[in-house]
Amino acid sequence: AQKITQTQPGMFVQEKEAVTLDCTYDTSDPSYGLFWYKQPSSGEMIFLIYQGSYDQQNATEGRYSLNFQKARKSANLVISASQLGDSAMYFCAMREGSFKTIFGAGTRLFVKA
Amino acid sequence: NAGVTQTPKFQVLKTGQSMTLQCAQDMNHNSMYWYRQDPGMGLRLIYYSASEGTTDKGEVPNGYNVSRLNKREFSLRLESAAPSQTSVYFCASKLQGGGNQPQHFGDGTRLSIL
Repeated sequence: AQKITQTQPGMFVQEKEAVTLDCTYDTSDPSYGLFWYKQPSSGEMIFLIYQGSYDQQNATEGRYSLNFQKARKSANLVISASQLGDSAMYFCAMREGSFKTIFGAGTRLFVKA
Repeated sequence: NAGVTQTPKFQVLKTGQSMTLQCAQDMNHNSMYWYRQDPGMGLRLIYYSASEGTTDKGEVPNGYNVSRLNKREFSLRLESAAPSQTSVYFCASKLQGGGNQPQHFGDGTRLSIL
């Protein structure tokens, strides 16, 4: 069963606007972590933001914020003031327990000038 | 400051050939991982090693073996390559289990099996 679901294969956003990338997850472990990574066309994986299952506040890192809704098992990434350099694949990932980390299928974001 | 180094970067194999993908990290990380990335399927975990001396299966271990040679190195072996194993393979490492530590990734190995 798929444990990390990213339902948007592709998204378009106008430069300078905000965009939300969806991620839902499924786990029975009370202790877990959620990560978002960016993969530009060059192929490297870049860590963006982290949310722990026990964190009370939504995580923020610069223009990135994570809309964590624990009861709904969702961890959506919000990118504010989109830039052309934000065009990339974005992956949601979940750490189950201490070591195992699994990824969603990804969302390709296109930023239009 | 190399981080995670994967070799080779590209490889073409014939069906049935064997191959070992190498991965080394110089960050003194305890945990290491192998993923494969296929279009539309994201990154799928093949095997991981929580610490030196231990390895565990991930989501898609069939057709692969791994060796955690020491704390730095974690290799992935294809004993008899199949076209379905054509993919981009990523090695990753992480300081320790739990917490907010992200994984650090290598640049990937693009493997084609004919």
